Amino acid sequence: QQQVKQSPQSLIVQKGGIPIINCAYENTAFDYFPWYQQFPGKGPALLIAIRPDVSEKKEGRFTISFNKSAKQFSLHIMDSQPGDSATYFCAASRRSNYQLIWGAGTKLIIKP
Amino acid sequence: DGGITQSPKYLFRKEGQNVTLSCEQNLNHDAMYWYRQDPGQGLRLIYYSQIVNDFQKGDIAEGYSVSREKKESFPLTVTSAQKNPTAFYLCASSPGTGQPYGQYFGPGTRLTVT
Repeated sequence: QQQVKQSPQSLIVQKGGIPIINCAYENTAFDYFPWYQQFPGKGPALLIAIRPDVSEKKEGRFTISFNKSAKQFSLHIMDSQPGDSATYFCAASRRSNYQLIWGAGTKLIIKP
Repeated sequence: DGGITQSPKYLFRKEGQNVTLSCEQNLNHDAMYWYRQDPGQGLRLIYYSQIVNDFQKGDIAEGYSVSREKKESFPLTVTSAQKNPTAFYLCASSPGTGQPYGQYFGPGTRLTVT
């Protein structure tokens, strides 16, 4: 019940396409869902996050869609660029707990 | 500049030696974390600390030790008891109670043990 399942493991998209990365969770106590972007040899960087009281959040070209009833959330990258090539991690946490439960990561490649 | 610093960026040790990785933050965050990342893998929690002088084991604490004597510092010692210490080590911090629960990461230390 503590797991966050992330898919796909890897994804290749042409420049300008819209990669979509999906995550699913079981624990309904989770109330914070961040996405992180990690470039090789660097620490992950917080990209965007959502709480379950909204169904969608946009920041620039990045959008989180959240489906509370299905216990799923996804990251969409609009007008994707080669510079977006990175590994993306979803995560979840509970307000009462300082820990993040991490997805396994998706390696995204944007082809020029 | 506010942020998290980890030093050194690369560290090489001989098998059987203990080694301490540094993590410092000037974000005034209450909570700090240590993760391990192996090639092509996700993040695994080693230890975390919610307040000074207190810390809890994560999923893979065996062979590691930590201390939290100051709010801004959370050093990790990789002991000789850790069977496979070669990995990328990441330190993170988060604001704590009443704040958004994002964690903010340092640049990482790549440890190689031969």
